[in-house]
Amino acid sequence: QITLKESGPTLVKPTQPLTLTCTFSGFSLSTSSAVLVGWIRQPPGKALEWLALIYWDDDKRYSPSLKSRLTITKDTSKNQVVLTMTNMDPVDTATYYCAHRRSILTGFDYWGQGTLVTVSS
Amino acid sequence: DIVMTQSPLSLPVTPGEPASISCRSSQSLLHSDGYNYFDWYLQKPGQSPQLLIYSGSSRASGVPDRFSGSGSGTDFTLKISRVEAEDIGIYYCMQALQTPYTFGQGTKLEIK
Repeated sequence: QITLKESGPTLVKPTQPLTLTCTFSGFSLSTSSAVLVGWIRQPPGKALEWLALIYWDDDKRYSPSLKSRLTITKDTSKNQVVLTMTNMDPVDTATYYCAHRRSILTGFDYWGQGTLVTVSS
Repeated sequence: DIVMTQSPLSLPVTPGEPASISCRSSQSLLHSDGYNYFDWYLQKPGQSPQLLIYSGSSRASGVPDRFSGSGSGTDFTLKISRVEAEDIGIYYCMQALQTPYTFGQGTKLEIK
């Protein structure tokens, strides 16, 4: 059974960095496969926005509009994927989700519960 | 970036009646491997999104067969043969042909 869970601060001050951890079980990001984990966010009352993804082979992709602020890494020994976003702004207030994708073709089939991050002084 | 445009944005439906949502992409999502890199998701109130359809027309595991996806290239449709009360929420399309992955604006399905 595949599960994912996001963790991190609920409140971040403007200009501060945000570090979110996605802890997963039921699959591996270290074995040879097409598996990937992505991060998606959703501002309150707004649509979903894709942020970044990381493949089992450590290949990484970022949203071009946020690329300068984002870093995605994985710790296969802990079954975790970490997303760091620098220079947080109130417009970054959103629910942040991590999600599993068995391959680029097969959809984000498992999602975490999401974590609401508020950026405010 | 590939722009995804959904219609309608609001969809009131009577239970038992069919419903249809359209999504158009600004460029073809048909890869040279013959697959469309296109998903449909449903976000029920207060929940995380859930995958309904991938590859344009393949139902995800556990998705009722009243949901079906069709289309290819730039035009896709999600159909619900008979809407049930549990189908309420916001439906999103998403392209995965290239990064950045992009979502549609969402279609809010509500029960009349």
